[in-house]
Amino acid sequence: GAVVSQHPSWVICKSGTSVKIECRSLDFQATTMFWYRQFPKQSLMLMATSNEGSKATYEQGVEKDKFLINHASLTLSTLTVTSAHPEDSSFYICSARDSEQIQETQYFGPGTRLLVL
Amino acid sequence: TQLLEQSPQFLSIQEGENLTVYCNSSSVFSSLQWYRQEPGEGPVLLVTVVTGGEVKKLKRLTFQFGDARKDSSLHITAAQPGDTGLYLCAGVSTNAGKSTFGDGTTLTVKP
Repeated sequence: GAVVSQHPSWVICKSGTSVKIECRSLDFQATTMFWYRQFPKQSLMLMATSNEGSKATYEQGVEKDKFLINHASLTLSTLTVTSAHPEDSSFYICSARDSEQIQETQYFGPGTRLLVL
Repeated sequence: TQLLEQSPQFLSIQEGENLTVYCNSSSVFSSLQWYRQEPGEGPVLLVTVVTGGEVKKLKRLTFQFGDARKDSSLHITAAQPGDTGLYLCAGVSTNAGKSTFGDGTTLTVKP
């Protein structure tokens, strides 16, 4: 149980294009999902908290117009990197919390590797 | 802002050795998770500890949550090359919401 998927697993795009990454909880409902960015050999950097049916909460320094988050259902959150530039190249990981669990454990997706040329 | 200090940052040992990774904070957490991550993949949950003083075992891995729920440790006995990876601890604040992640411990176990 508690499986989270991400799609795509990797993407290469040209500078200036937009890229959408999907995060799905496959066997549980998640009112809260999180989006992280990770640089090589470093820990996770929280970008935003995605709440089903409401606006995402962004961390300080993360541009909400640059990283659009939509959490339209209890099993799906999407992150759109708009007008991507090479500095946006990174490993993006989402996580989800099981709404029915008392423990607030996060279950992570496999990550999406983004390379902007 | 809650901080979670994880140590050591890097650890390289020989197969068969024991090791301990620590996570320390001045803040109290309602729960704490340990994850293991391999390159190019997402973190995989190892354990969640909730009760102060709680000890959980997962084969050769022993996890302990401090009595005050401010710190935790991960002990690996007789490490194997398959244990190589990035180990992350994450504490959930008592007033719910976000998790605070440690900076991670990169473990390399040499055969």
